[in-house]
Amino acid sequence: AQTVTQSQPEMSVQEAETVTLSCTYDTSESDYYLFWYKQPPSRQMILVIRQEAYKQQNATENRFSVNFQKAAKSFSLKISDSQLGDAAMYFCAFGSGYALNFGKGTSLLVTP
Amino acid sequence: SAVISQKPSRDICQRGTSLTIQCQVDSQVTMMFWYRQQPGQSLTLIATANQGSEATYESGFVIDKFPISRPNLTFSTLTVSNMSPEDSSIYLCSAEGGPWDRNTEAFFGQGTRLTVV
Repeated sequence: AQTVTQSQPEMSVQEAETVTLSCTYDTSESDYYLFWYKQPPSRQMILVIRQEAYKQQNATENRFSVNFQKAAKSFSLKISDSQLGDAAMYFCAFGSGYALNFGKGTSLLVTP
Repeated sequence: SAVISQKPSRDICQRGTSLTIQCQVDSQVTMMFWYRQQPGQSLTLIATANQGSEATYESGFVIDKFPISRPNLTFSTLTVSNMSPEDSSIYLCSAEGGPWDRNTEAFFGQGTRLTVV
């Protein structure tokens, strides 16, 4: 079974600054997908970014980028130029086959 | 992309009763899932809703407690039966186009916040 670990229950960042959220995972599979989801107070899960394990290049989506280290089984999310609207729970997720395995989440606070 | 409508968005129920949560997708999807998110916790998969057959339950979840229906490729229901306060959680419906590949994305409903008193 795959496990996903997010070791930072809470993180804080000032507006316009950069923050990195950590995620590690454990799997014996070679073909899989990794995701970061954002869950604001509205509860709606929003896909932030995805990474295919077979791709060495790190995924980027505007202000969001990942640092994917396959050998280390590490998948961190970097948010640049943080905005107040980035405040939310962030979940790292592992996908292989069908359903997703989620980490416990990191609560991101953005201060003015 | 797919839009998922989940109803009700919240409910307060008496212990011992049952609640059925509905999940409607605006397009046909291969896979539908039900997750539970306990207060301040992560999402835990309850079951995979299979169209035309019984749902596949994860360890710790049983059909008698969480019966699931999936009559077609756009709709599913989850019933939380004989509720107790421990069932107080957010329940989320999710849909995917198929096994993970470069084009697959999971979509989520807005969740149902259930409080059992």
